[in-house]
Amino acid sequence: KQEVTQIPAALSVPEGENLVLNCSFTDSAIYNLQWFRQDPGKGLTSLLLIQSSQREQTSGRLNASLDKSSGRSTLYIAASQPGDSATYLCAVTNTNAGKSTFGDGTTLTVKP
Amino acid sequence: KAGVTQTPRYLIKTRGQQVTLSCSPISGHRSVSWYQQTPGQGLQFLFEYFSETQRNKGNFPGRFSGRQFSNSRSEMNVSTLELGDSALYLCASSYGGQGRNNEQFFGPGTRLTVL
Repeated sequence: KQEVTQIPAALSVPEGENLVLNCSFTDSAIYNLQWFRQDPGKGLTSLLLIQSSQREQTSGRLNASLDKSSGRSTLYIAASQPGDSATYLCAVTNTNAGKSTFGDGTTLTVKP
Repeated sequence: KAGVTQTPRYLIKTRGQQVTLSCSPISGHRSVSWYQQTPGQGLQFLFEYFSETQRNKGNFPGRFSGRQFSNSRSEMNVSTLELGDSALYLCASSYGGQGRNNEQFFGPGTRLTVL
């Protein structure tokens, strides 16, 4: 059974800092890994998808890496802004069949 | 391209009633997954439908059921509601096929409150 852990549970940083969010998973036979952000009471917004064969993906100020052998992924956010404040969720999918296991998320607060 | 839509956005029901939630995926997507989100349990997988067939199921009681139509729209039904069913119900759509970029896109969710 896949288990996903995200550390830290909460993080508060001043505006402009670079930061790293961590995601670890127990079953390395994954199909893909996806990072999302969720604003309070809202749905999930997809940030980055990393396929099993890839090592990293980049979108703007975001960079996600994947190390299947160690069961880890990191989400790097450069030059953080107050608008980045949200909960960040990591989701691991083991097959193409749309069943993802989510971590509990990291709640990020970026202070002006 | 229109995103994933869910209706209704909010529902208030009483214990023992039943409820039906609807999800319309992104055009071209054939997979629809349903998740329950609560503060205590986080996001938990309910089930996934692909081309009108349930392909995966989570560990929820039989009171939770779903179906998918030929246009890929999906409904989920909860019968005999309990207080613990109060949650945000999210659906996600993706292409769902083998070898495809199966990035999941989520709808805004349906907030269900059971009194």
